[in-house]
Amino acid sequence: VQVQESGPGLVRSSETLSLTCSVSGDAIRSFYWSWIRQAPGKGLEWVGYMFYTGHTNYNPSLKSRVTMSVDTSKNQFSLKLTSVTAADTARYYCAAFSSDWYFFELWGQGALVTVSS
Amino acid sequence: QPALTQPASVSGSPGQSITISCTGTNTDVGRYKFVSWYQQFPGKAPRLIIYKVSERPSGVSARFSGSKSANTAFLTISGLQPEDEADYYCHSYAGSDTPGRFGGGTKLTVL
Repeated sequence: VQVQESGPGLVRSSETLSLTCSVSGDAIRSFYWSWIRQAPGKGLEWVGYMFYTGHTNYNPSLKSRVTMSVDTSKNQFSLKLTSVTAADTARYYCAAFSSDWYFFELWGQGALVTVSS
Repeated sequence: QPALTQPASVSGSPGQSITISCTGTNTDVGRYKFVSWYQQFPGKAPRLIIYKVSERPSGVSARFSGSKSANTAFLTISGLQPEDEADYYCHSYAGSDTPGRFGGGTKLTVL
């Protein structure tokens, strides 16, 4: 299974960050697809996850600014984060979360997003 | 959602064994047998090395092992090798409709 993030690497402060995760094969229906971010030099922070049915769950600290969506015809799911600040500068990973044993089985290489003022 | 507690750094010499702890509470690590560990090299994505406390995915060296006692999980790396130098993160399930919690990460230095 191939997992690939894509999107702009630079976003202006107060604007909206948009990323897409492309998934090969039928894997998009097999996992809870998650966004996890990692600020430079920092640890992992879960942003949210989505199932192909549309069920979502977001990190409470980001919930007011996060929207995730899925396009099963394109095997893609997307992340939008509004009103970004420098604190949102991070590498954003797309990861497959297994609901059988509750772990992140597959990871994309990540997309670095820098918020500029 | 407080993070799980890991030591910021550990170190060891080649050939030695080291253990990284991951402390949670009775709502996550202590309650469920769904602790996983991830290895991350600089500039790379995390890689799953342990799941379900002690299970190893195919392709992961048997030098990596996991265990749990009460609210603390452990990752042990035996026969330490220079290529083990990386950051290690733990994760635990914390109940339905949540992907759980990550640890803050531990930097392993091979002296």
